[in-house]
Order: sequence, then structure tokens, then C-alpha cells
Amino acid sequence: DIQMTQSPSSLSASVGDRVTITCRASQSVSTYLNWYQQKPGEAPKVLIYAALDLQSGVPSKFSGSGSETDFTLTISSLQPEDFATYYCQQTYSFPPTFGQGTKVEIK
Amino acid sequence: QVQLQQWGAGLLKPSETLSLTCGVHGGSFSGYYWKWIRQPPGKGLEWIGEINHSGSTTYNASLKSRVTISVDTSKNEFSLRLRSVTAADTAVYYCARFTSLKAVATSLWGYLDLWGRGTLVTV
Repeated sequence: DIQMTQSPSSLSASVGDRVTITCRASQSVSTYLNWYQQKPGEAPKVLIYAALDLQSGVPSKFSGSGSETDFTLTISSLQPEDFATYYCQQTYSFPPTFGQGTKVEIK
Repeated sequence: QVQLQQWGAGLLKPSETLSLTCGVHGGSFSGYYWKWIRQPPGKGLEWIGEINHSGSTTYNASLKSRVTISVDTSKNEFSLRLRSVTAADTAVYYCARFTSLKAVATSLWGYLDLWGRGTLVTV
């Protein structure tokens, strides 16, 4: 199985901050890497697919980059509605696996 | 607007069978893979398995001996059964649609773009 490791596991940030979350795969996943946002009590929601493509309806403050084993999710200017847990997921090979999550909290 | 509506029993005893169904409303059922994912309380996400409209399935190896996913195309529904549950199976269970990046539906190389609201199953 491909292991997905996110860092940090949690972070505290202020409104307006630029935030970067990284995801590392234990082997290459090409660009088959997705990012999801999950708020408490809700289902995850896709933000970025194929490493850098913005899902329809998702604000452009979210961006993704990377390939092979190293990926990043960036939030350009953190807003109150962005405080949530973020997960990466690889769909390159079975089983599709998720990172452990990064919880973004208010400083 | 396509929606996934899921239902099933939320409280089980050890050794019972978990049974959940997910209905696809307002959109196409064929042309996608349909997946089940679970999330233990306070923990991360785990893929359980998937099915397409033809009934082709793939399961997580760690659950394969206990899981069955089936489809009813006449109702645009797919279902999850997990046998012999234990406390370790306590989780929120989600159904989700998988959209492929390829020209044809594939179970890999895509993303989960539509989710049900989740069902908390407590054992």
C-alpha cells in the first residue's frame, strides 16, 4: 500500500495568513493526488484534484502543486470558513489511501 | 443537482451485520464508480470498497472477507454489507461518487466529487 504522510498534523494560523500543507507519498503517485476539506460533522469536500486542478466552485485562494511523491496545498489568505481538517488522497494504485489529515485551527 | 442519500441502522451489537444503502438522485448512475469510505470517531478516512453499474467490485483487502457491495440499477442504489462487526467497526460511513480523469469510468485515477452525509454506525 502507498502510505500518505501529511505535515504538519495540525497548525494554528491567523485570518489572512498564507498556509501551506504538505503531503508525501511513499512511492510515486504521478499526479493522481487529491485534496479534501472536512469541517466537523460534515462529509469531506474535494478542493483540488489531479494535484493542481481546482474543483468547480472552489475559491481560487486554494491551490495545489507537486508530482510523483511530494505535493502541497496552499491557502493564500486564510479566512474563518477555512478552519477545518484537510486530507490528501492518492488514487494512483489500490488501495486508494488518504493522509492522516492536517487540522487548521485559529491562532 | 445530483445528491446521494444514504440510510441504514446506526446501532449494532457485536457479530451483527452492518447494512447501508446509498441512493443516487438527480443524475446518471452509469459512467461512475461508487464507493464506500469510513471514518472512525476522531480519526482519518479509510476506503472500504467500490462498485460500478455493471456490478464490478473491488474491496479493501483488510475487510474483504467480511464485505459485500451490491448495486440495484433499477433504483439507482448501491449497498454495503459488513458482517461480524466489532467495536473496531464503529465509524461514520460515507457513500461517494468517484469521477475518473480518463475518457471511460475507472476505479482509479480520479477523485471523489460527491458524498453522502454520512451515517454513524456504533457497535
